[in-house]
Formats: sequence, structure tokens, C-alpha cells
Amino acid sequence: AQTVTQSQPEMSVQEAETVTLSCTYDTSESDYYLFWYKQPPSRQMILVIRQEAYKQQNATENRFSVNFQKAAKSFSLKISDSQLGDAAMYFCAYGGGTSYGKLTFGQGTILTVHP
Amino acid sequence: GAVVSQHPSWVICKSGTSVKIECRSLDFQATTMFWYRQFPKQSLMLMATSNEGSKATYEQGVEKDKFLINHASLTLSTLTVTSAHPEDSSFYICSAAGENYGYTFGSGTRLTVV
Repeated sequence: AQTVTQSQPEMSVQEAETVTLSCTYDTSESDYYLFWYKQPPSRQMILVIRQEAYKQQNATENRFSVNFQKAAKSFSLKISDSQLGDAAMYFCAYGGGTSYGKLTFGQGTILTVHP
Repeated sequence: GAVVSQHPSWVICKSGTSVKIECRSLDFQATTMFWYRQFPKQSLMLMATSNEGSKATYEQGVEKDKFLINHASLTLSTLTVTSAHPEDSSFYICSAAGENYGYTFGSGTRLTVV
């Protein structure tokens, strides 16, 4: 079974600074997807970024980028120029090679942004 | 973009009664839907996977007789918590799987059993 581990229960960052959230996973599959989701106080799950395992290039979405290390099974999220609205709980998730398959979530990291 | 509407957003019910939560995919067909439970400041715990027209697949430890899932159409899945008790109080979230690994989440339902 796949597992996803987020070893940082809480992180904090100053506004306009950069922060990196860590995620490691374990799988025997070669084809899979990785996701970062944001859950603000409203508790609506919002997709931040998605990475296909077969792509070597790291995904980027504006201020959000990932460092995907397939061999090390590591998938960290970097948030640049942090904003107050980035404060939320962030979840790393794994999706197996079968489309429409279930996601496995990490424990989550609570991110606080200080003005 | 894809939208999943989840209702109600919050509900309070008396112990022993049943409550139904609905998830509708508004602009796409959701062949597969997932139901999660989340406790405060914790991760999402998958309860079951439902496919349109077939019985739901429940995760280990989830009581299928207590948490009834129906996925009768490609746009509607329901979760019924039967004979609810205070320990069933939680936040429930649905998610619909679309093409190309598009997962869309509902806004969640906060259930309080008194």
C-alpha cells in the first residue's frame, strides 16, 4: 500500500518570504501522480499543483513550485513571496497509476504566515 | 471548471436519527466519487469509493451499515449516516474523479450529533 508522510506538522513564514513544505511517499508503482492541496479555514480543498511522475520537469504554478525527486520519493512544495492568504493546512497526496483511483493523503502541514 | 455541490454545509441531528448528505457534480459526469471524514486539524480519511450503478467499496474499519452510500446517477452520490451518535460528529467531504486525474472536492458537511 502507498503511504504519504509529511513530517512537519506546523510551519511558519514571514510575509514575502519563501517556505518549503516537505513530503515523502512510498510506492512500488512506476506511473502515478502527486498533488499538493490547500485547505483554508473554510475547509474547501483547493488544488495547488499537480505532478505527473513520468515528467522529469518540476511543476510550477505562479508562486508555487515543486521539487520532485522520483528516486528519493520526495515531493516538496516551495511557496515564494508568501502572502497572508497562503495561510492554510497543506496536504500532499498520491494518486496511483489507475485513473479515477483513490488519493492517499499525508498528515498535513499547518502553514502560518506572519505579517 | 468542474464543480461539486455538497449539501447541507452543516447539520445538527439528534442521537439515533439518520442524516443524508448529498454531492452533485454540476457540469460533468462523476463516474467515481469518494467520501472522506476529517477530524479537526487532521488529514482526510477515506471512508468509501462509489461507482455509479454499483455497490460502494468501503475502507477497512468503516461500518457499511452505518454509512450508507448510494451513487444512483452520474451526477449524484449520497451518504446517509444511520442511527447517528455523538461519535459520528465530524466533517464529511466528497470528491468526484474526472478525466485526466481531475479530482473535484465538495465544500464539506459539518455534522453534529447531540
